Amino acid sequence: DQQVKQNSPSLSVQEGRISILNCDYTNSMFDYFLWYKKYPAEGPTFLISISSIKDKNEDGRFTVFLNKSAKHLSLHIVPSQPGDSAVYFCAVLNRDDKIIFGKGTRLHILP
Amino acid sequence: GAGVSQSPSNKVTEKGKDVELRCDPISGHTALYWYRQSLGQGLEFLIYFQGNSAPDKSGLPSDRFSAERTGGSVSTLTIQRTQQEDSAVYLCASSLLLGADSPLHFGNGTRLTVT
Repeated sequence: DQQVKQNSPSLSVQEGRISILNCDYTNSMFDYFLWYKKYPAEGPTFLISISSIKDKNEDGRFTVFLNKSAKHLSLHIVPSQPGDSAVYFCAVLNRDDKIIFGKGTRLHILP
Repeated sequence: GAGVSQSPSNKVTEKGKDVELRCDPISGHTALYWYRQSLGQGLEFLIYFQGNSAPDKSGLPSDRFSAERTGGSVSTLTIQRTQQEDSAVYLCASSLLLGADSPLHFGNGTRLTVT
């Protein structure tokens, strides 16, 4: 029973364009959301987060949007760069302080 | 600066053998998590430690799995009588505190292959 769903296993985007990665969650009680980025043979690294009191958080080229009524969040990367090619994991912090991850979306930035 | 260190980076073992995986968290981090990533899957929560509190073991898949954290620092994940389905990358992460505003810092993982 997946609590965090990333329905697109992969995504290809032209360099310079916007990358949009999507994530759905099942529990309306979740109140803190995170995105991590992972390169091959490395551990995931924290990218950006958002709490449920906000609907948008921006950090440079990265913006996370939260739609609580739809239980949906998305990560926007603009403009996309070759170094953005990686696997992106959506995650939520549950009430037991466990961070639950989705299965990830592999992003390919095309030259 | 020193990040989270895991050893070994790769481990090949025969089915039925026991293995120990080690994690050295970032100094001063009170929370330590273990996850595993099987082929084509996301990060599956296994266990977390916070300070001197009892660990949350709710993610351990069977009683063959156990973990310790000695002196609030180094942690060891032990898998007894390994099975082929235990093959995965085992990731350790630490954070300054539990909860929001304290992101996890991951090690590079131990790739376990059970033959």
